[in-house]
Order: sequence, then C-alpha cells, then structure tokens
Amino acid sequence: EAQVTQNPRYLITVTGKKLTVTCSQNMNHEYMSWYRQDPGLGLRQIYYSMNVEVTDKGDVPEGYKVSRKEKRNFPLILESPSPNQTSLYFCASRRGGSSDEQFFGPGTRLTVL
Amino acid sequence: LAKTTQPISMDSYEGQEVNITCSHNNIATNDYITWYQQFPSQGPRFIIQGYKTKVTNEVASLFIPADRKSSTLSLPRVSLSDTAVYYCLVGPYSGTYKYIFGTGTRLKVLA
Repeated sequence: EAQVTQNPRYLITVTGKKLTVTCSQNMNHEYMSWYRQDPGLGLRQIYYSMNVEVTDKGDVPEGYKVSRKEKRNFPLILESPSPNQTSLYFCASRRGGSSDEQFFGPGTRLTVL
Repeated sequence: LAKTTQPISMDSYEGQEVNITCSHNNIATNDYITWYQQFPSQGPRFIIQGYKTKVTNEVASLFIPADRKSSTLSLPRVSLSDTAVYYCLVGPYSGTYKYIFGTGTRLKVLA
C-alpha cells in the first residue's frame, strides 16, 4: 500500500531534550515536506526537500532541522525543543510530473513541557 | 507565492450542492490550483487539481474562470461525512515546492 508513515504518532517531552520525528514514504517520490498545524493558523510549511541532499526552508523553519540522505526518508529534528513547538506535525510527499498532489502522513502530535 | 482567501466556515444540509470559492488574485502563469480535504487529526487528502476551465472527478468539480483569479470547488449532494476543512492551494507546476495552505474553509453538513 502506497503511504507516508510517521513515528512516533504521539510524543510528550521536556524543553531542551533533542528529538527526531521520522517520516518515510514508499512511493519513490522525490519531493517531501514537513508542516505544522496549529489551531487557527492552518498548515504551515517548515522545510521541504526536492531530492536527496537537497533541502530548503519553508515559512517557519526556526528551531527545526531536516536531512535527506535517502529518497524514502525525511526526518524532522528538534535540537532543543521549546513549548512553542507544541503542535501537530505532518509529513508529505509529492509525485512529480503534471500532478501537484501531496500525500500526507497520519500526523505526529508533539507536546513540549 | 500566490496567497489564497477562502470563507472561514460554511454550513449546508445533506443532499445539497456546496460551492466553496477561493480567491487567488496574484496567481502566476505556471501555478496550478489544488484542493485538499482534512478531517480532524488526519492529514489533508487531495481532492482535485486544475489549471483552467472545468475539471471533474468522481468526488468534485473545480471551476476556474478565464482570468484564474479565483476558483470554485463544487461538492455535489453532500453527506454528513463531507464535514471537514477544505483547503485551496495555489502552487507552481515546477520550481520550488514552498506551499502556503492558508486556514481553509470549515464545512459543516447538517442532517
């Protein structure tokens, strides 16, 4: 089954404790992206990657890092999480060609205390 | 990047046709218009995409006027399960993949 998976689905952590949220897709998509969703603010793009070793900032990249060493994986790294990073995070991948369709993962609900 | 403006919320009754309009005044020549549906605590799901005129698939139609400064998502005969948030997204066919989703339209379907 074609899908985007994220782990963990839920995470409660404390300020300053480094964490990584993994994202993996099995559709051989070149393009992947991370979003955060907060009440009243919709979806905001954090980082995106157009291919292996090619990443760029979205609208809200501060406090986050990403890496793209393999086509299928696009982890999101919070080196020193803060409470304002408490949010619902979505990973997405996009197939190329004439379609602009993005496939989203199930989400990771992060709470930083 | 083209920004979009949509109504914050809409109510409808089961069986009715629902039209949600999105304004995107500064759409670029190469931009496509894409609509997503999102249920609570789930990732958005692609509904339909178009460039101009009319596009129809098994779940919706998308109407785009000649100037492409707006678009209308049409959901025929909605049911309770269509209650969701609908996002209009304008993005480049090629180039960067920096997307601005906006806050979407919260559709509530009533029995």
